[in-house]
Amino acid sequence: DVKVTQSSRYLVKRTGEKVFLECVQDMDHENMFWYRQDPGLGLRLIYFSYDVKMKEKGDIPEGYSVSREKKERFSLILESASTNQTSMYLCASSLRGRGGVWASYEQYFGPGTRLTVT
Amino acid sequence: GENVEQHPSTLSVQEGDSAVIKCTYSDSASNYFPWYKQELGKRPQLIIDIRSNVGEKKDQRIAVTLNKTAKHFSLHITETQPEDSAVYFCAASRGAGSYQLTFGKGTKLSVIP
Repeated sequence: DVKVTQSSRYLVKRTGEKVFLECVQDMDHENMFWYRQDPGLGLRLIYFSYDVKMKEKGDIPEGYSVSREKKERFSLILESASTNQTSMYLCASSLRGRGGVWASYEQYFGPGTRLTVT
Repeated sequence: GENVEQHPSTLSVQEGDSAVIKCTYSDSASNYFPWYKQELGKRPQLIIDIRSNVGEKKDQRIAVTLNKTAKHFSLHITETQPEDSAVYFCAASRGAGSYQLTFGKGTKLSVIP
């Protein structure tokens, strides 16, 4: 059974603080993702990583960075938290498989971190 | 980039009735279309998916249909039950061979007992 865990369920930070959100998966998945979930906006991709130290920007990378030093761990960093980054953050992982045109596989989500920036 | 539109945003049905949620996508190269269910306070979980070489897929009370020509796909839930109440998200792969998905904005389904 795939397990994706996130370091905190709830987090309250002050404006300007550096914030680290951690995600760990235990199924040896190559791909990991960070999403932001806001009411009425669905799930928006912040960053994607397809291997250790490899990353790609998603749709809303501004104000965020990521780190993937180990295969099982993917960190999202808010360099200087702002109130408009108050949101639910979801991490996900998926297999890479053999690639090719049928490369997409199920994404397994973590429980989410509700971040409030005051 | 890929754009996925999802309708309706909210849907209320009587228990036992059917529910249909529709999505359209913009990238004709998209070839993987999953549907996720998110219960209140829980993580999204895959309930069914379809690849573009298939027109329809069923799993008990849930079915998904895909019309590649029109670039739309739909989720059908029959004999709805209160435990079907949740937010449902459709998604499309960002072209063929992409690991990334673009999600719709979600549909909040309420099943009234």
